[in-house]
Amino acid sequence: GESVGLHLPTLSVQEGDNSIINCAYSNSASDYFIWYKQESGKGPQFIIDIRSNMDKRQGQRVTVLLNKTVKHLSLQIAATQPGDSAVYFCAEKNQGGKLIFGQGTELSVKP
Amino acid sequence: GAGVSQTPSNKVTEKGKYVELRCDPISGHTALYWYRQSLGQGPEFLIYFQGTGAADDSGLPNDRFFAVRPEGSVSTLKIQRTERGDSAVYLCASSLVDRSYGYTFGSGTRLTVV
Repeated sequence: GESVGLHLPTLSVQEGDNSIINCAYSNSASDYFIWYKQESGKGPQFIIDIRSNMDKRQGQRVTVLLNKTVKHLSLQIAATQPGDSAVYFCAEKNQGGKLIFGQGTELSVKP
Repeated sequence: GAGVSQTPSNKVTEKGKYVELRCDPISGHTALYWYRQSLGQGPEFLIYFQGTGAADDSGLPNDRFFAVRPEGSVSTLKIQRTERGDSAVYLCASSLVDRSYGYTFGSGTRLTVV
C-alpha cells in the first residue's frame, strides 16, 4: 500500500544551525509533495511544495530536495530559530488527489 | 474568511452520542477535505469534496461517519453512536482547485469521547 514515512521521530538542533528533516515515500507515481509544520494545538501549516518534475525548490530559509530514484524527500531549514520548533510532516499527493502524511518529525531548537 | 474555520474547537461527548463538526473553508475554495489526526500521528484522510459532491470518501472508517457539503461551501462531519476510539483531532482543509495546489488547514476540532 501507499505510505510516507520519516526516518527520525525527533531532531534536536542548536539555534543558528541548519536542520535537515528526511522523508521516504513508497508510491513512485506520486506527482506532488508538500512539507507542513504543525505547532501544538494548531493545524498543519504549509511550508513548501515540490512537483515530481523538479528535484529542488527553495523558499525563504527552506529548501526541499526530491530524489525520485530512491524515493526520498528532505526539508532543509537554514539558520534554525526557536520559532521553528514544531512537528514537521511530509505529505504525498496520490493520483486520486488526497494527501498521505507521514508520522512526523519533532524538531526542537536549543537556544 | 481569511482562513479555514472549524467549530467547535473542542468537543467532549459521551459514548453513544451523536456529534457534528463544522468546517468553513476559505471563500472560493471548491475543494474541501476532512482528515483525522490521532496523538503523535500524521493526519489520515477521511473524505474529499469537489463542490457539493463527495469525490472520494474512501477514508471514512465505517458507516457511523458521514459528511455533507450541501451548498459547496460549509461542510459538516457527522459521527453517530460515538465510540472512545473516535477521540482525535478532526482537521478540515480547503484548496482553490483540486489535487494540484497546497491545502490550507484549519486548527481542527478536538473530539473526546468519554
